[in-house]
Amino acid sequence: TQLLEQSPQFLSIQEGENLTVYCNSSSVFSSLQWYRQEPGEGPVLLVTVVTGGEVKKLKRLTFQFGDARKDSSLHITAAQPGDTGLYLCAGAGNQGGKLIFGQGTELSVKP
Amino acid sequence: ETGVTQSPTHLIKTRGQQVTLRCSSQSGHNTVSWYQQALGQGPQFIFQYYREEENGRGNFPPRFSGLQFPNYSSELNVNALELDDSALYLCASSLWGGLYGYTFGSGTRLTVV
Repeated sequence: TQLLEQSPQFLSIQEGENLTVYCNSSSVFSSLQWYRQEPGEGPVLLVTVVTGGEVKKLKRLTFQFGDARKDSSLHITAAQPGDTGLYLCAGAGNQGGKLIFGQGTELSVKP
Repeated sequence: ETGVTQSPTHLIKTRGQQVTLRCSSQSGHNTVSWYQQALGQGPQFIFQYYREEENGRGNFPPRFSGLQFPNYSSELNVNALELDDSALYLCASSLWGGLYGYTFGSGTRLTVV
């Protein structure tokens, strides 16, 4: 059974702080997708990483895919209250198909 | 481009009843997947449809069934509802199986009483 362990589950920080969310598995994934979900809404795709060792940057967000394509991390620099939400990592197998989601990280950024 | 549209947004049903949830996929997307998300958890894969055929199924009983139509819209049917079926049901569409990401709808919040 493929599992994605996401940590931490909850994170409450002050505006301006940095943070990192981790997503780990014993399985290899063809792609690792990061989503952000707000209350009452569906997840919104932030980024997809497909190559081992790949690093992608989206403004203050940096995403990394592990060399072995089993783990990933999301780093946010200088967090802002607008970053508040549920962050989900999800792994996809060959040709896509079902996504295996982590449990999510509930981020709260206080002004 | 239009996104993924789900209906209804909220639904309350009684245990034992049947329910049908609907999804219109994003324009140009040929793959539709359904997920169940319990409160405080990540979404769990129910099944995926590609060109009207089921293309993968998660660990859900047969009372969860689905359809995809020629215009790529989709339905999720749940028979004999149980209290544990209360959850947010998400529809997601993609091109070619979703290896590069999915577009999710806002979901249907189902409450079984």
